[in-house]
Amino acid sequence: AQTVTQSQPEMSVQEAETVTLSCTYDTSENNYYLFWYKQPPSRQMILVIRQEAYKQQNATENRFSVNFQKAAKSFSLKISDSQLGDTAMYFCAFARYFGNEKLTFGTGTRLTIIP
Amino acid sequence: EAQVTQNPRYLITVTGKKLTVTCSQNMNHEYMSWYRQDPGLGLRQIYYSMNVEVTDKGDVPEGYKVSRKEKRNFPLILESPSPNQTSLYFCASSLGTGANTDTQYFGPGTRLTVL
Repeated sequence: AQTVTQSQPEMSVQEAETVTLSCTYDTSENNYYLFWYKQPPSRQMILVIRQEAYKQQNATENRFSVNFQKAAKSFSLKISDSQLGDTAMYFCAFARYFGNEKLTFGTGTRLTIIP
Repeated sequence: EAQVTQNPRYLITVTGKKLTVTCSQNMNHEYMSWYRQDPGLGLRQIYYSMNVEVTDKGDVPEGYKVSRKEKRNFPLILESPSPNQTSLYFCASSLGTGANTDTQYFGPGTRLTVL
């Protein structure tokens, strides 16, 4: 079974600064997907970024980028030039390459951007 | 607009009174899932379906039933709700397995309170 660990329950950062959220996972699979989802106060689950384990290149989406370290089973999210709208709960999630109908989530990190 | 819808968005009920939470997607997705979100636990999968008439248990299926009679709909049924089923519920769907089809799209959530 896979597990996902987010060791930072809460974080806060000043607006315009850069923040990194940590995520580690455990799996015996070689191919899989990793995700970061954002949950703002509206409770909607919004996909932020997606990484395929068989790709060496780290995924990037505008101000959001990941540091994917496959050997270390680490998948951190970096938010650059943070904005007030980034205030949300962030969840790291894992899906197998085959059998990806199930997402395994971490417990989340609550991020607050301070004006 | 491509979306996953859930109804109702909020529900307060009493122990033992059967209820159904509906979920519908308009993206012709094969995979659909139900998750529950509880503080400190992240999201956990309840049931999933890989196609019409194909359903299987997730991590926390006790006390829940599902059905998939049509591709677009995946209702969650609580035959005899109990207070420990008070939670935030999400329906999600994805196109299927394989590259670029793995991303799960979430509905807006249903806040259920069982008294």
